[in-house]
Amino acid sequence: DTAVSQTPKYLVTQMGNDKSIKCEQNLGHDTMYWYKQDSKKFLKIMFSYNNKELIINETVPNRFSPKSPDKAHLNLHINSLELGDSAVYFCASSQTSGTSYEQYFGPGTRLTVT
Amino acid sequence: GQNIDQPTEMTATEGAIVQINCTYQTSGFNGLFWYQQHAGEAPTFLSYNVLDGLEEKGRFSSFLSRSKGYSYLLLKELQMKDSASYLCAVMIYNQGGKLIFGQGTELSVKP
Repeated sequence: DTAVSQTPKYLVTQMGNDKSIKCEQNLGHDTMYWYKQDSKKFLKIMFSYNNKELIINETVPNRFSPKSPDKAHLNLHINSLELGDSAVYFCASSQTSGTSYEQYFGPGTRLTVT
Repeated sequence: GQNIDQPTEMTATEGAIVQINCTYQTSGFNGLFWYQQHAGEAPTFLSYNVLDGLEEKGRFSSFLSRSKGYSYLLLKELQMKDSASYLCAVMIYNQGGKLIFGQGTELSVKP
């Protein structure tokens, strides 16, 4: 009965490779997010989707491409991985219509690029 | 620009009370959140303030002053398990739920 789930939990890969991270939420929320948390633990938003529509697209390299096949899923594909992409990537979801706006986070995917 | 400041580290004693401050300067404000994050885990929601004043929830309370751009998280009767990072985040108005996070305050609770 996990609320927000991500796969994989750990990802180790070499520079130049392409990889994907998957996220699913079973909370019935209308909005999903991708965050990056760097080694200094600073959590920064990358993208958000509301009902499959891209709402937030921060200053993120074009190598990062989110895809939302339906409102319960938001995937992140990364092309040509670089050393600086090493971080923990968190998926989150929330209901933005209503009075309760808290975001629920997935367990995170620790990406290590060598 | 968007700026959120909180202390990097704090230390407190088990059973004591600790207050973690957060100041913010953002363009558009739609509420302030506090999250707790244990090492290697996901952030978990603690509190949400959108109006001025104090919100109490068990051992945790959160205060907001919008005119001063200031919030604090108060933790009472500290327990060892409260050792974690505490993240202050501001929701930006009319930007689809966008949260801007501070750098987090690493709280160490000692016996």
